[in-house]
Amino acid sequence: DAGVIQSPRHEVTEMGQEVTLRCKPISGHDYLFWYRQTMMRGLELLIYFNNNVPIDDSGMPEDRFSAKMPNASFSTLKIQPSEPRDSAVYFCASSFGGGGNTIYFGEGSWLTVV
Amino acid sequence: EDQVTQSPEALRLQEGESSSLNCSYTVSGLRGLFWYRQDPGKGPEFLFTLYSAGEEKEKERLKATLTKKESFLHITAPKPEDSATYLCAVWGGATNKLIFGTGTLLAVQP
Repeated sequence: DAGVIQSPRHEVTEMGQEVTLRCKPISGHDYLFWYRQTMMRGLELLIYFNNNVPIDDSGMPEDRFSAKMPNASFSTLKIQPSEPRDSAVYFCASSFGGGGNTIYFGEGSWLTVV
Repeated sequence: EDQVTQSPEALRLQEGESSSLNCSYTVSGLRGLFWYRQDPGKGPEFLFTLYSAGEEKEKERLKATLTKKESFLHITAPKPEDSATYLCAVWGGATNKLIFGTGTLLAVQP
């Protein structure tokens, strides 16, 4: 079975450019999560969706970050404009049901902003 | 506020040398404690979920246990392929989301 699929796997971009990260969750899962991982702060939840609706975006760092989920099989995380401090690994994850059910992660998108 | 603390930050073992990793947590209404393994350049890989104090789960050389305040991941006779970062996370009722600790980096030397 296909797991959570993320693209691109690696992205190097210049400061000020727009970055779009993409995610396809596991088929049938109704929760989708975006996490960011850095050495300093570990894994941080940015936002999560239930049935394509954003439920909690309190982890989104600032207005430069936005996320959408137009349908059950696709989500995007956009950073505009990007800054060097946004350099991190961004993980998408999905689960069937929330609240204690297992969350499965993608392989991540490695973002470097120069 | 829901919080997760893992110790030690790093652990180096000889092959066959058993040890334990600790995950202490403070959470309002625990709805699940999760252990993940993460290899370099990869996403976290699910290992176990524990739901209530006293629960234990095993998989090969790994055994996870849970009390009301902490969880342990016991590694019995580890092999070099067990080298990875082990992450603990809790799904708490107050935040209603999965909160991760910063992980334990395990290195098993042959």
